[in-house]
Amino acid sequence: DGGITQSPKYLFRKEGQNVTLSCEQNLNHDAMYWYRQDPGQGLRLIYYSQIVNDFQKGDIAEGYSVSREKKESFPLTVTSAQKNPTAFYLCASSAETGGHQPQHFGDGTRLSIL
Amino acid sequence: SQQGEEDPQALSIQEGENATMNCSYKTSINNLQWYRQNSGRGLVHLILIRSNEREKHSGRLRVTLDTSKKSSSLLITASRAADTASYFCATDQGGKLIFGQGTELSVKP
Repeated sequence: DGGITQSPKYLFRKEGQNVTLSCEQNLNHDAMYWYRQDPGQGLRLIYYSQIVNDFQKGDIAEGYSVSREKKESFPLTVTSAQKNPTAFYLCASSAETGGHQPQHFGDGTRLSIL
Repeated sequence: SQQGEEDPQALSIQEGENATMNCSYKTSINNLQWYRQNSGRGLVHLILIRSNEREKHSGRLRVTLDTSKKSSSLLITASRAADTASYFCATDQGGKLIFGQGTELSVKP
């Protein structure tokens, strides 16, 4: 079964700590995305990648970093510079960028501050 | 930047009734998508409607698009308790999808 796997499901961060959220897809999609979802709000784009070794900032990239060394993988690091990291983080992929393709989502990672 | 605005924010109906959710947007689009999100889960793509289409059906779902009014609606007919979820519209902007804040649908058995 093709899909997107996010891990861990729950993650806790201490003050001053960087944490990395994993996202893996086996859909052979070129484009991958990271979104942040806060209660009662829609999704906000953090970073996206159109192809391997390339990525662009979204609307709320400050305090986050990404890498795209493999087509299947797009990990997100929440750095200590992100002062309000508590949120639900969603990873998605699509065959290509451009907004005209459906996006496939993982089941999210819920990040909280200890 | 939030492009789509869903209305209502929350909707509660009885099983068997129809549910209608609306989405308004501000700038020209090439297409509009609807997604469903069950509590604590990721989003699931429901339907994509292109700017040159006015109506699209998928099972019990019917989506309309009025580009002159910059609005779309999602109709779920004969609702079931399993339809309880949040529903989001998303529009393409500069190669990215911009999501609205969603409509929370509760279908009571």
